[in-house]
Amino acid sequence: DVKVTQSSRYLVKRTGEKVFLECVQDMDHENMFWYRQDPGLGLRLIYFSYDVKMKEKGDIPEGYSVSREKKERFSLILESASTNQTSMYLCASSLHREVDSPLHFGNGTRLTVT
Amino acid sequence: ILNVEQSPQSLHVQEGDSTNFTCSFPSSNFYALHWYRWETAKSPEALFVMTLNGDEKKKGRISATLNTKEGYSYLYIKGSQPEDSATYLCAGGYNKLIFGAGTRLAVHP
Repeated sequence: DVKVTQSSRYLVKRTGEKVFLECVQDMDHENMFWYRQDPGLGLRLIYFSYDVKMKEKGDIPEGYSVSREKKERFSLILESASTNQTSMYLCASSLHREVDSPLHFGNGTRLTVT
Repeated sequence: ILNVEQSPQSLHVQEGDSTNFTCSFPSSNFYALHWYRWETAKSPEALFVMTLNGDEKKKGRISATLNTKEGYSYLYIKGSQPEDSATYLCAGGYNKLIFGAGTRLAVHP
């Protein structure tokens, strides 16, 4: 079974702090994704990566950056956290690049920015 | 951008009831439709991925159908159990997935 591990289940940060959300997958998947989930909305794609050192913007990349130095690890960075970034963040991976490849999700990180 | 809509937003049923939810999507610019189950405090889990018009998939008491020409998919749960309580997400797209807001199911004993 694929395991996708997110480093923190809950995080509380102050406005203006730099925040790192870490995600590790153990099945050698090429593709990794960061989503955020807010009440009443579907999961929204922030960034994704199809390979090491490769990154592509999703639908809502503003205020975020990512890093993929190793295949198994995909980090989401909030350069200067703001209250509107309070959300549930989900990391996912998939085996194939094609959109019919199922996503494997981590448990999520609930971030509160005060 | 593809718009994926799910209905109803939430549903309360009694144990043993059968139920179904809808996922609708624009039928143009479509390649695949995913269903996920997301239980509280757990990670979303893939149930089905479908691509072909008329596809039907089944996993235990849960099944799904796909109509790509009219742009909808149904998820059915037969004989709901309390452990089926979860949020059910669908996602569709051509070169990337767009998620619906989910249907929250509560099954009462």
